[in-house]
Amino acid sequence: QVQLVQSGAEVRKPGSSVKISCKASGGSFRSHAMSWLRQAPGQGIEWVGGIILSLGAPNYAQKFQGRVTITADESTATVFMEMAGLRYEDTAIYFCATQDAYVFDSWGQGTQITVS
Amino acid sequence: QSALTQPASVSGSPGQSITISCTGTSNDIGAFNYVSWYQQHADKAPRLLIYDVINRPSGASHRFSGSKSGTSASLTISGLQAEDEAIYYCSSYTTRDTRVIFGGGTKLSVL
Repeated sequence: QVQLVQSGAEVRKPGSSVKISCKASGGSFRSHAMSWLRQAPGQGIEWVGGIILSLGAPNYAQKFQGRVTITADESTATVFMEMAGLRYEDTAIYFCATQDAYVFDSWGQGTQITVS
Repeated sequence: QSALTQPASVSGSPGQSITISCTGTSNDIGAFNYVSWYQQHADKAPRLLIYDVINRPSGASHRFSGSKSGTSASLTISGLQAEDEAIYYCSSYTTRDTRVIFGGGTKLSVL
């Protein structure tokens, strides 16, 4: 099973940008699709977007379209998520996860993004 | 407000069985057999328990089982153990642009 290790917590001001990472090990990087999901304080889980690694093709939830960019670096087996125009309501824990069809089978430990 | 509806909390005693419900619509649970369940312990990442309504990934306990009827799905946990105390989330494929939606989570307390 793939292991995912995410970058550390970030604090940003409203209107700024943040870029976080998710490094994969223990599997074939290109054979996966990778998604980013988030969990706001006391809230449920929300899918932000994902990328099919073999194609390098990202897709985003309409809510985040134009504000989120997901990229991947095959040489380091790392996926990135950049979010611009940060708002207070973007404060959440962001998880990366491998995705097989509609199932998220391996998860990173989470990255706290605080907008304050 | 989450797209799928789950009870906020359930409880049970060690050894008992409990069931957590997850209600959707004809655009998600009612139309597809792509329901998954995740377990999240405090300050941990979610862990896949059930996928495609009834299937368990390797490593998941046989005490967890899933089912579906109409626009609702259920997770049953048998032989409750203290370690089962966690928040449980359902998810489903959906015709919405997000493709996958989640419930708000159900906190299980083992008394």
